[in-house]
Amino acid sequence: LAKTTQPISMDSYEGQEVNITCSHNNIATNDYITWYQQFPSQGPRFIIQGYKTKVTNEVASLFIPADRKSSTLSLPRVSLSDTAVYYCLLQSETSYDKVIFGPGTSLSVIP
Amino acid sequence: DSGVTQTPKHLITATGQRVTLRCSPRSGDLSVYWYQQSLDQGLQFLIQYYNGEERAKGNILERFSAQQFPDLHSELNLSSLELGDSALYFCASSVEWRGGRNTQYFGPGTRLTVL
Repeated sequence: LAKTTQPISMDSYEGQEVNITCSHNNIATNDYITWYQQFPSQGPRFIIQGYKTKVTNEVASLFIPADRKSSTLSLPRVSLSDTAVYYCLLQSETSYDKVIFGPGTSLSVIP
Repeated sequence: DSGVTQTPKHLITATGQRVTLRCSPRSGDLSVYWYQQSLDQGLQFLIQYYNGEERAKGNILERFSAQQFPDLHSELNLSSLELGDSALYFCASSVEWRGGRNTQYFGPGTRLTVL
């Protein structure tokens, strides 16, 4: 059964770059990787999505190595407002019941 | 604001009871997902509907059921409630039925407390 793992928590100072890695050793060919951010008492919010190599948008970058067994979310120059829980999601394009969230990484940004 | 609405925000009930959670997707989205979030289990996918039809099933208990109506809103019915059903329940909507490249937009959630 596919499973994803993430570090439980991370601390970072304001202004630093933060990298959060999700391991998904059993990723399938048709699986896409998406990262979500969640604040307390709110629903998760989309950050970025990718299939392979590197994807960048206005808030983050996503690095996926060639074997796709892991993915790294990179947040440049974090601020206090980036304190949240970050989840990776593995979702299949063809097996519709395959929707697997990682356990989440709680990021604390320190002033 | 994601555009997805969920009611009620909070629900407190007793064991053995039945409740209904409601979700209205973003305008134009045909797909609705339901999730349960608890401290020990994390975010668990329950079920997906697309344009009124069940599309995919995750870890949904037999005591739970869902449906999507012609106006595309969805309801999650939880019956014979147990203490362990206390959790946050989220719905999310997306444009298409296929996963993978679909971005899901989550609602604010319903917090269910079973006493």
